[in-house]
Amino acid sequence: EADIYQTPRYLVIGTGKKITLECSQTMGHDKMYWYQQDPGMELHLIHYSYGVNSTEKGDLSSESTVSRIRTEHFPLTLESARPSHTSQYLCASRGQQNYGYTFGSGTRLTVV
Amino acid sequence: GIQVEQSPPDLILQEGANSTLRCNFSDSVNNLQWFHQNPWGQLINLFYIPSGTKQNGRLSATTVATERYSLLYISSSQTTDSGVYFCAVGRGAQKLVFGQGTRLTINP
Repeated sequence: EADIYQTPRYLVIGTGKKITLECSQTMGHDKMYWYQQDPGMELHLIHYSYGVNSTEKGDLSSESTVSRIRTEHFPLTLESARPSHTSQYLCASRGQQNYGYTFGSGTRLTVV
Repeated sequence: GIQVEQSPPDLILQEGANSTLRCNFSDSVNNLQWFHQNPWGQLINLFYIPSGTKQNGRLSATTVATERYSLLYISSSQTTDSGVYFCAVGRGAQKLVFGQGTRLTINP
């Protein structure tokens, strides 16, 4: 049902590597979000965007950065991964009329 | 900001039992959603329910906005219902705030 896609689903990388987590949606939603979650714990907002060329930091401090060059695409980048970045990253979007959020399947990142 | 509290934090039941999960929030909202996170980490939207009652199969939800709480009912539980259930709320264009979740375990 959800038309929001995240890749990769799982990623194991070495410390110091640069990585980009992809998130795309085909629903034409203006608002997109990145959440970070440790297994079974609550979700914390790290970045959000209300439209093209609009990005903001969320409630949880993060060393990652985001960009929003196209409506459908909201990638998240870590310039230099560290073991403390090990977590699940969930992307979400919502449209103008309906405030309900739709989530992607998530990327489970492990930095060794 | 808005505070969200879910109860109970953990719930263990036998297959076939019914359960009620509660979500309390500290301020008026016009967005409330219930999600189920399965063991693979996927977050599935169950209900968008800022007020009123909705039903979907064995699941139903009720939000009493004036009293700032919502309830999720699961009837005739199945093992596939296991996972973590999250309540999340928001107001207007503000960001969604999540509760800490209820971990539900259904034993066969």
